[in-house]
Amino acid sequence: GENVEQHPSTLSVQEGDSAVIKCTYSDSASNYFPWYKQELGKRPQLIIDIRSNVGEKKDQRIAVTLNKTAKHFSLHITETQPEDSAVYFCAASYRMNTGFQKLVFGTGTRLLVSP
Amino acid sequence: ETGVTQSPTHLIKTRGQQVTLRCSSQSGHNTVSWYQQALGQGPQFIFQYYREEENGRGNFPPRFSGLQFPNYSSELNVNALELDDSALYLCASSSLLAGGSTDTQYFGPGTRLTVL
Repeated sequence: GENVEQHPSTLSVQEGDSAVIKCTYSDSASNYFPWYKQELGKRPQLIIDIRSNVGEKKDQRIAVTLNKTAKHFSLHITETQPEDSAVYFCAASYRMNTGFQKLVFGTGTRLLVSP
Repeated sequence: ETGVTQSPTHLIKTRGQQVTLRCSSQSGHNTVSWYQQALGQGPQFIFQYYREEENGRGNFPPRFSGLQFPNYSSELNVNALELDDSALYLCASSSLLAGGSTDTQYFGPGTRLTVL
């Protein structure tokens, strides 16, 4: 079925440490994988995305890696700061029976960065 | 911040009532997707509209319906409200790529619906 599993559900790190969040998906045809950050009471905001034609993408302290064979992708945040504290969601594209794609989201990871 | 707006911000209804939520998409985008986000959960796909037609639907009953207008803005209608419909309703606008693939989706601020 259409499924995106996300781990861990909560992650506590010290400021300056790295944080890694992992997701797996079930459809080998999925080809688009965005990551969103959602602060309390706010909208999900795109922080980085990757398509299946690349294995890694980096934007300053944030990077995403994709392993198509294993059907998993990961978010890496280096030199974490307290303002990185939020809930992070991964998502994967799935083809609907209409031929169009939709996004299926993971259950979220609550990241807490302590000063 | 994205150019996606939603109204109203908050809404309180009673069980059995009907509600209409509105979304204005970002300039240049032709696709609107609606999601339901229960507390502590990820967004759940309700349906998607492209060129005023629904082009896909998630696991939601027919009492969830929608519209898209020529300016690409959209409405979500929910009839016969149930207590479990209490959630944050998010819309996301995007462009459709070749072959029906989705481009980056940008979320609106959401409408917090409470059903009593």
